[in-house]
Amino acid sequence: SQWGEENLQALSIQEGEDVTMNCSYKTYTTVVQWYRQKSGKGPALIILIRSNEREKRSGRLRATLDTSSQSSSLSITGTLATDTAVYFCATDAGTGGYKVVFGSGTRLLVSP
Amino acid sequence: SVLLYQKPNRDICQSGTSLKIQCVADSQVVSMFWYQQFQEQSLMLMATANEGSEATYESGFTKDKFPISRPNLTFSTLTVNNARPGDSSIYFCSSRDTAGTGQLYFGEGSKLTVL
Repeated sequence: SQWGEENLQALSIQEGEDVTMNCSYKTYTTVVQWYRQKSGKGPALIILIRSNEREKRSGRLRATLDTSSQSSSLSITGTLATDTAVYFCATDAGTGGYKVVFGSGTRLLVSP
Repeated sequence: SVLLYQKPNRDICQSGTSLKIQCVADSQVVSMFWYQQFQEQSLMLMATANEGSEATYESGFTKDKFPISRPNLTFSTLTVNNARPGDSSIYFCSSRDTAGTGQLYFGEGSKLTVL
């Protein structure tokens, strides 16, 4: 079976709060990608972190990576209602790491 | 970046019929990937399609059930054969940025409902 077959985890917060989502992956990867999927749309990359990085920031986003525990986290500070979406982590897979597989995902609802 | 267009956006079909989903890229891409997403679940990689060769399928997906064609570097089709209610999901095509970040670009998805 593939990674990420579980149902989405759900988080509900108020606008302005900070939130952290976690991801544990199963196999070696050179990069962890975080995607955001808005309702009715395909996923879109929001931040990626490579295996030689422990932390990466982009605006209100912060990603961390711990290769020893094969885990990554995505934090959003000062959330906005427009951050409401489903968030997935994704890693390389297959020979040469060319394919990308997705974790189980978190449905984040940010209320105004 | 690459833009991917899928058609149809949504469709409803009867059990036992076949449905074809088309994906067109606005530039040439080496590989196209097809993903399946059930409601409230993550994306599952179905197969990788390269031009002029048979698609490579992931565990749980077969070419008899989900034949994929890739006639050129901008086009791919996914067919769902003998559709069943359990095939009701959203199907996405995607391609990977091999020259830069390695990120995936996605079409907007094709929502299939099988009655």
